[in-house]
Amino acid sequence: DGGITQSPKYLFRKEGQNVTLSCEQNLNHDAMYWYRQDPGQGLRLIYYSQIVNDFQKGDIAEGYSVSREKKESFPLTVTSAQKTPTAFYLCASSPYLLDRGFQPQHFGDGTRLSIL
Amino acid sequence: GIQVEQSPPDLILQEGANSTLRCNFSDSVNNLQWFHQNPWGQLINLFYIPSGTKQNGRLSATTVATERYSLLYISSSQTTDSGVYFCAVNAGGTSYGKLTFGQGTILTVHP
Repeated sequence: DGGITQSPKYLFRKEGQNVTLSCEQNLNHDAMYWYRQDPGQGLRLIYYSQIVNDFQKGDIAEGYSVSREKKESFPLTVTSAQKTPTAFYLCASSPYLLDRGFQPQHFGDGTRLSIL
Repeated sequence: GIQVEQSPPDLILQEGANSTLRCNFSDSVNNLQWFHQNPWGQLINLFYIPSGTKQNGRLSATTVATERYSLLYISSSQTTDSGVYFCAVNAGGTSYGKLTFGQGTILTVHP
């Protein structure tokens, strides 16, 4: 089945540690996105990528890094500079149509990250 | 950037009741999506509706782009409808498809 796979589902990190969240899609979508959801809040954009080897900062990029070496993969690294104690990370993807632009986004099931 | 406001913030219903959720946005949009986030955190696509009206079973949505609002209707609500409903918009231009989310409406349906 086509879809977006995020792993792991739960992750704990120690202060000062970097961790990487995985996001893989087999939908052949051009664009991929990372969002963060703080408890009781809506989602905010961290980074996005329209094409391979290109990515842009979103609204809350500080303390995060990404790469887009393959169309189907968009891993997110949470660095020691990121101080948010607990958050839910969601990855999304969308196709791009030349005549209609970016199409609806589809989301993975998320990774819940906590600091020990 | 574009602002998205959802109302009401909380809604409590008895099973079988109908409800209307509202989403106001501050600028013209290329894309508007409604999502349901279940208790496990999964974000489920309900509608892609930058304008017009769509229906899917007990749910329907209407977006009036010229007046910058969208409505989500839930009829004959069920306990499985509980969760958080998000409206998200893309403003087009240089926003490269990114979605700006509202704060959500928390729906609780009691049996």
